Amino acid sequence: AQSVSQHNHHVILSEAASLELGCNYSYGGTVNLFWYVQYPGQHLQLLLKYFSGDPLVKGIKGFEAEFIKSKFSFNLRKPSVQWSDTAEYFCAFFYGGSQGNLIFGKGTKLSVKP
Amino acid sequence: DAGVTQSPTHLIKTRGQHVTLRCSPISGHKSVSWYQQVLGQGPQFIFQYYEKEERGRGNFPDRFSARQFPNYSSELNVNALLLGDSALYLCASSLVAGLNTEAFFGQGTRLTVV
Repeated sequence: AQSVSQHNHHVILSEAASLELGCNYSYGGTVNLFWYVQYPGQHLQLLLKYFSGDPLVKGIKGFEAEFIKSKFSFNLRKPSVQWSDTAEYFCAFFYGGSQGNLIFGKGTKLSVKP
Repeated sequence: DAGVTQSPTHLIKTRGQHVTLRCSPISGHKSVSWYQQVLGQGPQFIFQYYEKEERGRGNFPDRFSARQFPNYSSELNVNALLLGDSALYLCASSLVAGLNTEAFFGQGTRLTVV
């Protein structure tokens, strides 16, 4: 079955530290890839997406992700985190054409210490 | 612009009861999907509707049903509630169904079954 693996359950960083969250998906066909963020008490928001083209995609708030097809990976990065980045981050991929759906990972909770 | 709106925001039900959750998509969006998010997990796909037709169904029992109305709003119904149905139920809307489409999520309905 298709799945998404997020490597870290909980990451704790100090402000200004660099962030990399791992994500691997299992599907051999064409996919769209996403990172969503859920701030405490708020709804899921899109950070960035990959549909096609340049495998290095930039999103909001200084986040970026790199799609490596050969590794089925879509890791999220940010050079310098802020306290306001404290949130839960979900990697997801869409497959299946017009009858497809999003498959989400279990999420990574990021805590940034001021 | 109004985002995806869901009602109610919170709900407490007793085992065996029935519940109806509602979702209004972003204006112009014709596809609505439902997801269940239990604590500590990523959202899991339940249903997708596009142009009032069911386009996909996740691995959920027949107690779960949904429909989409002519104005593209949607209802999720759950019969014979179990304690394990306690979760955050998310509605997502997108312009169309299929690849290369972004899903926008609502705040969710927090269902507690006691």
